[in-house]
Amino acid sequence: DTAVSQTPKYLVTQMGNDKSIKCEQNLGHDTMYWYKQDSKKFLKIMFSYNNKELIINETVPNRFSPKSPDKAHLNLHINSLELGDSAVYFCASSQGAQAETQYFGPGTRLLVL
Amino acid sequence: GDSVTQMEGPVTLSEEAFLTINCTYTATGYPSLFWYVQYPGEGLQLLLKATKADDKGSNKGFEATYRKETTSFHLEKGSVQVSDSAVYFCALMDSSYKLIFGSGTRLLVRP
Repeated sequence: DTAVSQTPKYLVTQMGNDKSIKCEQNLGHDTMYWYKQDSKKFLKIMFSYNNKELIINETVPNRFSPKSPDKAHLNLHINSLELGDSAVYFCASSQGAQAETQYFGPGTRLLVL
Repeated sequence: GDSVTQMEGPVTLSEEAFLTINCTYTATGYPSLFWYVQYPGEGLQLLLKATKADDKGSNKGFEATYRKETTSFHLEKGSVQVSDSAVYFCALMDSSYKLIFGSGTRLLVRP
């Protein structure tokens, strides 16, 4: 069983569309994260949820809205997609917001045309 | 704010060569330090970590020592294999428990 899974793996869409990426973890962790990796491989945190509560919200456009229906899921919805949103988005989880080890999903490669 | 600087890649080595990937950091206090590895098409995996000065993290033949005096955490391996080809990320955990990553260093090992 995959510990942290994301769907879809690839997403190609037009500018202006709205899309969602889903993340699920079966590790029993209570903290989940979204990261964005740009074309130069630079990786930056976007959001973090602990027990379904938002605890980290970096300077991200409000077109990005995370939603955590339960501790095992953290979805990312993106409105009005722009060319600059093209990137690989990684979900991660950890046991506790102060845990030092995070477990990453395989990534979702988003291409906005 | 806190930051991590890594040597630019790609680093190309022959199998069994010695590897060093440099990493330095800027932070208030003494953060925990990490190396994560990303194999092609996969997510990041924790490779090793060190939580205080002079600690040495090690895993799978890789080592890194937390050097407070030089604010460094260089990754080393004595004999690389083709299967070590990947992107390596140095990271620190800041005072608000966020992971701050370096820009990554791609390693290519040739047979």
